[in-house]
Amino acid sequence: GENVEQHPSTLSVQEGDSAVIKCTYSDSASNYFPWYKQELGKRPQLIIDIRSNVGEKKDQRIAVTLNKTAKHFSLHITETQPEDSAVYFCAASISGGSNYKLTFGKGTLLTVNP
Amino acid sequence: ETGVTQTPRHLVMGMTNKKSLKCEQHLGHNAMYWYKQSAKKPLELMFVYSLEERVENNSVPSRFSPECPNSSHLFLHLHTLQPEDSALYLCASSQDWAAGEQFFGPGTRLTVL
Repeated sequence: GENVEQHPSTLSVQEGDSAVIKCTYSDSASNYFPWYKQELGKRPQLIIDIRSNVGEKKDQRIAVTLNKTAKHFSLHITETQPEDSAVYFCAASISGGSNYKLTFGKGTLLTVNP
Repeated sequence: ETGVTQTPRHLVMGMTNKKSLKCEQHLGHNAMYWYKQSAKKPLELMFVYSLEERVENNSVPSRFSPECPNSSHLFLHLHTLQPEDSALYLCASSQDWAAGEQFFGPGTRLTVL
């Protein structure tokens, strides 16, 4: 089955710096890669996603890149703010026909220090 | 209430008890999901329902029994659980299964004594 590795498990940055979280996946059939943010005591919420036919996607301070050959994708947060502090989860999904699998990484605890 | 709701928010049960978790989505979605979130472990997808039919069961022990009576409601029936089943159980929904954003509920914090 699919295996998603996420690094680092914890990340601490100064406000205004950039943060990068990396994930690798094992199944080349994976075709959808969402990123979720979970603030302490709250539910996970989708912040950005990318499909396998796209190499990069950006939404204001957040961007995701995908390298299908190397089977890795990354989340980039620029100009970090204290409210970016949360646990971030990557996921890899296989969808199509009657088949559906969704596997999450273990999460990265991001702390943005003011 | 809008979005995805779950009840109860907290549950403590003994290993011989039978209890049920309830999830309701007010988004008009066709797919619903149960996840288990344990400390220091990734989110684990347990069950997927699409239009009230189960489309995925990720090797979950039979002491967890899902039920989807309609596209807005999802239950997780629990019986003879083990202490290692203590976790946060999250429900989610999406417009269609296997596609796009999932909207999560607040979760039920389950403790098995």
